Amino acid sequence: AQSVTQLDSHVSVSEGTPVLLRCNYSSSYSPSLFWYVQHPNKGLQLLLKYTSAATLVKGINGFEAEFKKSETSFHLTKPSAHMSDAAEYFCVVSDRSGYALNFGKGTSLLVTP
Amino acid sequence: ETGVTQSPTHLIKTRGQQVTLRCSSQSGHNTVSWYQQALGQGPQFIFQYYREEENGRGNFPPRFSGLQFPNYSSELNVNALELDDSALYLCASSLRSSGSGEKLFFGSGTQLSVL
Repeated sequence: AQSVTQLDSHVSVSEGTPVLLRCNYSSSYSPSLFWYVQHPNKGLQLLLKYTSAATLVKGINGFEAEFKKSETSFHLTKPSAHMSDAAEYFCVVSDRSGYALNFGKGTSLLVTP
Repeated sequence: ETGVTQSPTHLIKTRGQQVTLRCSSQSGHNTVSWYQQALGQGPQFIFQYYREEENGRGNFPPRFSGLQFPNYSSELNVNALELDDSALYLCASSLRSSGSGEKLFFGSGTQLSVL
């Protein structure tokens, strides 16, 4: 079985400061890992994807995530938060077939001026 | 915009009724997946259709069923609605490839309220 745990349900940062959203995963096989973002009244958008290539994955809008097998973590970071980054972020692991996604419960990111 | 459209955007039903939600996939995609997102939770996988056949199913009862049409549009049907079925239903389309972790393109969802 595979699962993800997002360690923070809410994160608040000031505009211009770094963002860290934490995710641990559990899987009996080499998983594909993703981060998705959900803005209010909009669909889920893929930020980045890890599939056993480089452990540091760069995504859209300046986000990146590092796959650490020894720590079973896949934390999402961004050097400098922007107001438009305020949204719900989901850490996701694919099932063994690669076709179904298992979502974490989400982390709500608040960016203050 | 992802090119995946869902209708209706909002729907109110009463317990015991049946509902049909619709999804139009992004052009060129041959796979559609449906997810249920309860308030304050992450989306949960319901099932996936590939070439008009169900290709995987999550932990949902048989009263959740679906269809995929030759033009790759899709329907999600829920019979005998229960209060706990109130949620945002998300459709995602993708292009099936040989590798795992295919990229999904999500629609904005249908918000279903069961009273």
